[in-house]
Amino acid sequence: GAVVSQHPSWVICKSGTSVKIECRSLDFQATTMFWYRQFPKQSLMLMATSNEGSKATYEQGVEKDKFLINHASLTLSTLTVTSAHPEDSSFYICSADSNYGYTFGSGTRLTVV
Amino acid sequence: KQEVTQIPAALSVPEGENLVLNCSFTDSAIYNLQWFRQDPGKGLTSLLLIQSSQREQTSGRLNASLDKSSGRSTLYIAASQPGDSATYLCAVRGTSGSRLTFGEGTQLTVNP
Repeated sequence: GAVVSQHPSWVICKSGTSVKIECRSLDFQATTMFWYRQFPKQSLMLMATSNEGSKATYEQGVEKDKFLINHASLTLSTLTVTSAHPEDSSFYICSADSNYGYTFGSGTRLTVV
Repeated sequence: KQEVTQIPAALSVPEGENLVLNCSFTDSAIYNLQWFRQDPGKGLTSLLLIQSSQREQTSGRLNASLDKSSGRSTLYIAASQPGDSATYLCAVRGTSGSRLTFGEGTQLTVNP
């Protein structure tokens, strides 16, 4: 089956710093990857769609300057939370479409203190 | 705009019971439907993928059905086990674009 690797699993950072989250498709190529945010006891909220070699498409209400997405290769997409604040603390999950449907990473728990 | 609803929101059953989780969607123009499992603090694990042309898919104790015309899917879990305790999410992919629309999930607890 298809595997998506997401790192780090958890990160704690100080307010005002930036954090980068990586998402890799290990055994397939992903021209498109998706970034979600999940609040406690809620379903996933799509933040943006990253496209290899072009600009990401952001959902309404998501600040593109706050959440920088780069999809430089067919197997790697990154999400950088810039100038993080406590309200950015959340669970972030990436996914990609494979021959087996959508495959998700294991998620990143971000805590901003 | 596609809307996906899952019922019930939470379910608690004794071990060994067979159970059914329900998912309904408002727009029948779907490409496929996927059932996921999410454990607390973890990512999503794909359980079953049903293409729009299919009626059901089976994997072990799991069986998912799809009735596209009525906008419904069910996930049947046979002989439930405590290890099945998790949140189950239903997601629909439309025919235009690649976006997934998720339901709010059903939180399942199987008691030993």
